[in-house]
Amino acid sequence: GDSVTQMEGPVTLSEEAFLTINCTYTATGYPSLFWYVQYPGEGLQLLLKATKADDKGSNKGFEATYRKETTSFHLEKGSVQVSDSAVYFCALSDNYGQNFVFGPGTRLSVLP
Amino acid sequence: DAGVTQSPTHLIKTRGQQVTLRCSPKSGHDTVSWYQQALGQGPQFIFQYYEEEERQRGNFPDRFSGHQFPNYSSELNVNALLLGDSALYLCASSLVGQGSDTQYFGPGTRLTVL
Repeated sequence: GDSVTQMEGPVTLSEEAFLTINCTYTATGYPSLFWYVQYPGEGLQLLLKATKADDKGSNKGFEATYRKETTSFHLEKGSVQVSDSAVYFCALSDNYGQNFVFGPGTRLSVLP
Repeated sequence: DAGVTQSPTHLIKTRGQQVTLRCSPKSGHDTVSWYQQALGQGPQFIFQYYEEEERQRGNFPDRFSGHQFPNYSSELNVNALLLGDSALYLCASSLVGQGSDTQYFGPGTRLTVL
């Protein structure tokens, strides 16, 4: 079945550091790919998405590019802030949202 | 524009009891999905409702059942609660009827089974 793998956390960075969170997937067909963020005590918020190969999703300084050849969707940000501290989930959706699969999440802590 | 809302926020039950959780989708959305998120893990798909029918189901036992109403709101019912059912239950809505697969999540209901 479809699956999503993320780099294990926690990831601890200093403010203004560069962030990469790796995500790879296994899926039949051509899934849409997502990054969701979960702040402490809250539900998931959509951060960005990409629906086809070579698409780049971006939002709030975060970016991720849909790489079909490497089945990857790595999340990057050039300069993290303390407010970016949260858990980040990579996810895929196949067959028009009927099959939504999440990775295990990566906890990010940004220190001032 | 109201987002996805869920009730109650927190719930404490004992083993063997039954529970009902409620979800109202984002305005204009026609599809509701339910997820179980255990502590420290990613959400696990329970099932999805569209046009008042269960459209797809994850690997959860029949103790988990649901319903979608004509106004697109939804309920998740869990019977014969087990300690392992303690989790954050998330509802997500989307507009599948127009081919969009982006899901918007509610804040969740924290269920504790004692």
